[in-house]
Amino acid sequence: GAGVSQSPRYKVAKRGQDVALRCDPISGHVSLFWYQQALGQGPEFLTYFQNEAQLDKSGLPSDRFFAERPEGSVSTLKIQRTQQEDSAVYLCASSSQGYGELFFGEGSRLTVL
Amino acid sequence: GESVGLHLPTLSVQEGDNSIINCAYSNSASDYFIWYKQESGKGPQFIIDIRSNMDKRQGQRVTVLLNKTVKHLSLQIAATQPGDSAVYFCADHKRTGFQKLVFGTGTRLLVSP
Repeated sequence: GAGVSQSPRYKVAKRGQDVALRCDPISGHVSLFWYQQALGQGPEFLTYFQNEAQLDKSGLPSDRFFAERPEGSVSTLKIQRTQQEDSAVYLCASSSQGYGELFFGEGSRLTVL
Repeated sequence: GESVGLHLPTLSVQEGDNSIINCAYSNSASDYFIWYKQESGKGPQFIIDIRSNMDKRQGQRVTVLLNKTVKHLSLQIAATQPGDSAVYFCADHKRTGFQKLVFGTGTRLLVSP
């Protein structure tokens, strides 16, 4: 597709369940970012990949959060043992460079009950 | 960026008015600044950027002003239209080496017809 695609768009999980969120970046974009956006707030950085290498994961809030991009294209953000405070929109963005304009997907809204 | 919880600053204007949205950034090392627009249920969308060696940049109906002395950015929208209604975020980072893009708190722009 022409843009960044994320799935699922909406996910409801019971507390304690594991979830996996998928991101298909723009073809050829080497840089991929995950952001978390709580209601009424700006996006907060989670992690950054350059191709398949995870160069920065300083924003991951706990060891329950894990991201991968094994072939340098599609990325998955996994959250284990979800908690209510994990409820947020998870945004994926890609870029042809490591800086500059990021192209965002529409996000995956996670609600943990 | 700093969090202000659920109460985003709001700017209400009439259609046809000019809008000015302000933003403060905290990292004096930042040399690249971007304005994003986020409509409800969508990911942030790039509007305009500016590098630190400039103090003004114009696009179509939008102008960004940068004051590095006081670490302040503004976005001016000329002849505001109902379609401009959205939340606007400024973001900044340092281009050399990887530094995460840091988003501000956001301002909600409401345009009345």
